[in-house]
Amino acid sequence: GESVGLHLPTLSVQEGDNSIINCAYSNSASDYFIWYKQESGKGPQFIIDIRSNMDKRQGQRVTVLLNKTVKHLSLQIAATQPGDSAVYFCAEMNGGSNYKLTFGKGTLLTVNP
Amino acid sequence: IAGITQAPTSQILAAGRRMTLRCTQDMRHNAMYWYRQDLGLGLRLIHYSNTAGTTGKGEVPDGYSVSRANTDDFPLTLASAVPSQTSVYFCASSDNRGPGYGYTFGSGTRLTVV
Repeated sequence: GESVGLHLPTLSVQEGDNSIINCAYSNSASDYFIWYKQESGKGPQFIIDIRSNMDKRQGQRVTVLLNKTVKHLSLQIAATQPGDSAVYFCAEMNGGSNYKLTFGKGTLLTVNP
Repeated sequence: IAGITQAPTSQILAAGRRMTLRCTQDMRHNAMYWYRQDLGLGLRLIHYSNTAGTTGKGEVPDGYSVSRANTDDFPLTLASAVPSQTSVYFCASSDNRGPGYGYTFGSGTRLTVV
């Protein structure tokens, strides 16, 4: 079946550094991607999304890059803060699939003060 | 505050017992979903509903049933709980006009089956 996976299950960075979290997807028909942040004991929280007709999108301190050629997605967090410590999930959606999301397994980001 | 409410927040359940996890949203979203989250496996879709009166099976539907009598409520029922159903369950909703329209998650129900 189709799958979304992450290259790095854990990432540890120093406060103030930039973080890059990577994600590979295998469904070439996916046309929408979302990054979620999940803090301990809470539900996934929307961070940023990108459609397949774009290759870059920026938000506040976050940037998502999409490379459709190699089916790769990344989340860049600028000036990482302790509050950014969480598990980050990428998710893909095929607009023809009733808008169901397929999630990757998650990357744990730890920010050291 | 607009959003999704799940109940209970946690539950310990004896194997073989029946249990219904409740989910209510006040955003008038058409679509609702139930996911389970297990360590190392991420979030997996159990059942979904594109609109009131319709439901569909996700990736791991066995042992679960859902109903969608109205727009706001989407309960998930375990007819006869088994230990493998120990998990954290998340309800989500979206405006299925298209991708990007408000895909929102609840805070989850932590279920332990003993």
